[in-house]
Amino acid sequence: DSGVTQTPKHLITATGQRVTLRCSPRSGDLSVYWYQQSLDQGLQFLIQYYNGEERAKGNILERFSAQQFPDLHSELNLSSLELGDSALYFCASNKWGGTGELFFGEGSRLTVL
Amino acid sequence: DAKTTQPNSMESNEEEPVHLPCNHSTISGTDYIHWYRQLPSQGPEYVIHGLTSNVNNRMASLAIAEDRKSSTLILHRATLRDAAVYYCIRMNNNAGNMLTFGGGTRLMVKP
Repeated sequence: DSGVTQTPKHLITATGQRVTLRCSPRSGDLSVYWYQQSLDQGLQFLIQYYNGEERAKGNILERFSAQQFPDLHSELNLSSLELGDSALYFCASNKWGGTGELFFGEGSRLTVL
Repeated sequence: DAKTTQPNSMESNEEEPVHLPCNHSTISGTDYIHWYRQLPSQGPEYVIHGLTSNVNNRMASLAIAEDRKSSTLILHRATLRDAAVYYCIRMNNNAGNMLTFGGGTRLMVKP
């Protein structure tokens, strides 16, 4: 158990819909990262937050947005969903956003039909 | 662009050592080398990381070439539980510290 909690574990929805994925980082961790894992693209970095502020952005689509709240939990919002958005979405956290290890959650599996 | 090269797959026998190679010939002086692994149906799990010197921890050893253009993850005694995809990653501290995953090496362990 990494200490990172993601909900929901599984989600099935239709094209055009909007979903929110939630992540609670490990206790004391200030930095949260979101990753997408699909069969054809592998693990792709989406976005990083540190203590509520966006710190780095990767291959995140404009239809996707994220935020980190004062209690440090984070949400990833995916809108106007397409079939290609079906993937595993992982959240990871670490204390300072430095070069140490990241702790990953078990992921949220999104299926868009 | 992951900027690391790993074999797609490797096989090992249980209780034997495993050497997983990684090529990172364009590595810069401030890039750390991280190794993560992903077991089936789980999120990635940190294994080890280093900058210049060889590193050891309870899970594995990391041998870094003197020119830092390659590294090797060493599992001293493979178990069936070590069957996973192993990712070698360059982490650039100046680029927000995100991990850029490549394709990884799928390690199969035979009993």
